Amino acid sequence: QSALTQPASVSGSPGQSITISCTGTSSDVGTYNVVSWYQQHPGKAPKLMIYEVTKRPAGVSNRFSGSKSGNTASLTISGLQAEDEADYYCCSYAGINTYWVFGGGTKLTVL
Amino acid sequence: EVQQVESGGVVGQPGGSLRLSCAASGFTFDDYTMHWVRQAPGKGLEWVSLISWDGTTTYYADSMKGRFTISRDNRKNSLYLQINSLRSEDTALYYCAKEEDGNKLNAFDIWGQGTMVTVSS
Repeated sequence: QSALTQPASVSGSPGQSITISCTGTSSDVGTYNVVSWYQQHPGKAPKLMIYEVTKRPAGVSNRFSGSKSGNTASLTISGLQAEDEADYYCCSYAGINTYWVFGGGTKLTVL
Repeated sequence: EVQQVESGGVVGQPGGSLRLSCAASGFTFDDYTMHWVRQAPGKGLEWVSLISWDGTTTYYADSMKGRFTISRDNRKNSLYLQINSLRSEDTALYYCAKEEDGNKLNAFDIWGQGTMVTVSS
């Protein structure tokens, strides 16, 4: 069982927006603004999409945005495109004893 | 081009040992903390370990303590992971990942392609 809870799957049609939630606890997501999101296509390495809750690395589309409220972080993808279909993982810093925890991953299907 | 290339993945027997390597290029290796992250077949990501830029500080996920040893050689721009007493649950694709910020723990911005470890008798 993963430390962070994500829905197993979400889906949306091209052009729509979807949001993936990532629920942790006051020991990780709720305390630290060190939440990141990763996109992983089949057979590929993960790609950093969002870091420090809301920041986008250079080269990542502004259709991807992040937010956090309490113990839950969220990734929103607007204007869905076929190439967005992938697995998405959230990750949070969890303090000096645990360090990093991941969510179980969410499979995004673009209908 | 910034990249990391892992190697050393094999089919190992339970109780055996192996050493994974990650060769980095395209960035100043000794400016950054480095990590190992693994992914069991069909499963999610699991953080394994980190090592500070100078190799003096290491941390491990609780389930990895005692059997895993992370190290680095900044002269060779290389990261390593020694795994002893192999168990079936160590079967996974092992990624090396670079810390996004050289001054703080933040996120993993560069990943290798992964090296597969299979533990089977």
